[in-house]
Amino acid sequence: EPEVTQTPSHQVTQMGQEVILRCVPISNHLYFYWYRQILGQKVEFLVSFYNNEISEKSEIFDDQFSVERPDGSNFTLKIRSTKLEDSAMYFCASSEGRQINQPQHFGDGTRLSIL
Amino acid sequence: AQKITQTQPGMFVQEKEAVTLDCTYDTSDPSYGLFWYKQPSSGEMIFLIYQGSYDQQNATEGRYSLNFQKARKSANLVISASQLGDSAMYFCAMRPYGNNRLAFGKGNQVVVIP
Repeated sequence: EPEVTQTPSHQVTQMGQEVILRCVPISNHLYFYWYRQILGQKVEFLVSFYNNEISEKSEIFDDQFSVERPDGSNFTLKIRSTKLEDSAMYFCASSEGRQINQPQHFGDGTRLSIL
Repeated sequence: AQKITQTQPGMFVQEKEAVTLDCTYDTSDPSYGLFWYKQPSSGEMIFLIYQGSYDQQNATEGRYSLNFQKARKSANLVISASQLGDSAMYFCAMRPYGNNRLAFGKGNQVVVIP
């Protein structure tokens, strides 16, 4: 069964550094998403992306964050000038369309640890 | 804004027994979708089942079924014939029609014991 793949599985970065989290969505999917889950807390929506532009973003997704689809397969989340509170599990997800009955399929996540 | 409530404490379930996980939600949107995801200790999020707000029948997917009560705004997940591999955190989530973001609850922890 096709799946969303994320790399790396674990990223350790010094505070203040930039980090890029990578995702390969399911190949026929058109909508892409990033979520994060701080340890012990809810999964939170960050951003959705369609047709090479952001379609929706949350209040968490400020100027520190950016997303990009650099080629036909990858979807990246860049976090500039990382802070301790950016430590979390980051999930990429994709869906075939925006219809309400089309679920978002998640990758295995990247655990980001900021030191 | 949508609010998803999952308040059950961690649950221990005997293998082969059924377990019901509670989820209530609050929304003013007339049309929405409800989803359940499973998160094992390894961390991945696995989609389990979907229920549309206008669906006449409760959703079923293998051993998973939804007890959807729209008037009460509840969408409880029932796992039948529990297996050891069902031990995980289970998240209820909803998405209003026309909206991209999934809103998640805090999750229910299930441990299946032999």
